[in-house]
Order: sequence, then structure tokens, then C-alpha cells
Amino acid sequence: DAGVIQSPRHEVTEMGQEVTLRCKPISGHDYLFWYRQTMMRGLELLIYFNNNVPIDDSGMPEDRFSAKMPNASFSTLKIQPSEPRDSAVYFCASRPPGTGARNTIYFGEGSWLTVV
Amino acid sequence: GENVEQHPSTLSVQEGDSAVIKCTYSDSASNYFPWYKQELGKGPQLIIDIRSNVGEKKDQRIAVTLNKTAKHFSLHITETQPEDSAVYFCAASPSSYKLIFGSGTRLLVRP
Repeated sequence: DAGVIQSPRHEVTEMGQEVTLRCKPISGHDYLFWYRQTMMRGLELLIYFNNNVPIDDSGMPEDRFSAKMPNASFSTLKIQPSEPRDSAVYFCASRPPGTGARNTIYFGEGSWLTVV
Repeated sequence: GENVEQHPSTLSVQEGDSAVIKCTYSDSASNYFPWYKQELGKGPQLIIDIRSNVGEKKDQRIAVTLNKTAKHFSLHITETQPEDSAVYFCAASPSSYKLIFGSGTRLLVRP
């Protein structure tokens, strides 16, 4: 399996621009997570989906952030407009189905975002 | 909600020595505790995990212990090697669908 695939790997953008990060979860996984990693706050859960439906978006920092999952193999995280404080590594992760199964979450390689 | 504290934030050991990283959690409902290793420029990768009905688990040079009463769990790496150098994260799962991560430990193994 190719694992969780994220794009772009690196993005440098100017303040005020729209940023779209993309994710392809592992085939067959029905949970998808978006995390943000910064030095100050560590790994923070932004939002997660189950069967393409957003379940908990309480970690989304503000209305400038939005996430969608139009189908089981694709998700986007959008920031509009972007600000320098959004600079971070954004990770997508997925988890296999099953109640009581191991809660193993598999991470992608991350999208390194710099807003200047 | 769940809160996970991790110590130390940095750890430097001589090659061949052991390394221990400790975490505490707050939510007694948490029942799954994975450990992730993150190398530079990469995403976190699961290295070992433990469920709440088990007190200890071992996989070659890596072991994890869990004390549910005290709400703490630890990662033990024996016979450390330079390739063990990375950032290690503990996590606790207050539900089947969420992981709350500790702040990470940067481990440096000196050759």
C-alpha cells in the first residue's frame, strides 16, 4: 500500500492567498484526520471525518479554515485567506474501520506550509 | 477533555545506553496508548502501542509499560543506536476515534 498521500509537500505563499492542501487516505480506511504541527503547540487535531462525514471540527482554529471530503479517497484542507501564523506542517492521517479494533492512525508525510 | 503530558522534552544518551520517556494522561476513559517516532521531514510512525488491559508490552529493543491507577505510561528503549535519534510522541485515546498527543521528546543518541 502506498500509505497516506499528501500534496503539496511544500508550499510557500503570500499572506492573503488561498491555500489548498490535499490528501488521499489509505484505501479501505474510513476515518480521516487533519492534524497541524507547530513548535509551540505540538500536534493538534483540527478535524476528522468518518465515512466522508465531518464528525468533530472543534479543533479548526477559525472560519478561515475549512475541510471537505467529497469521497472516500480524497480530502482537502483549505485556508482562505492565509496568514503568517498559519505556517506549520499539516498532516493528514487515516484509520482502518472496526469497532474495538486497534486505533492505529497512519500519517502521511505532511505538507509544509510557509505563509510570508 | 484528555490532556497528555510528556517528559523529558529532550534526552541525550550514549549509544548502547537505555532511554526512558514518560507520559501521564488525565482521562481515565482512555484505553489505548500508542507511541510514534518522527524522523526529520517525515510524518509520525507508530512504533508500539498498548491497550489498557495490558501492563507491559515488548518488541525487540522497545517496551512500553502502563500504570492505569497512576495514569502514566512509559517508553523504554534499550541498547540505543544512532538511528533511534528522532522525536518520540506518546498519545492517549479517550475514544475510538481520537488520539491526543504529548508534546514530544527529542532523543539524541551519541555515537
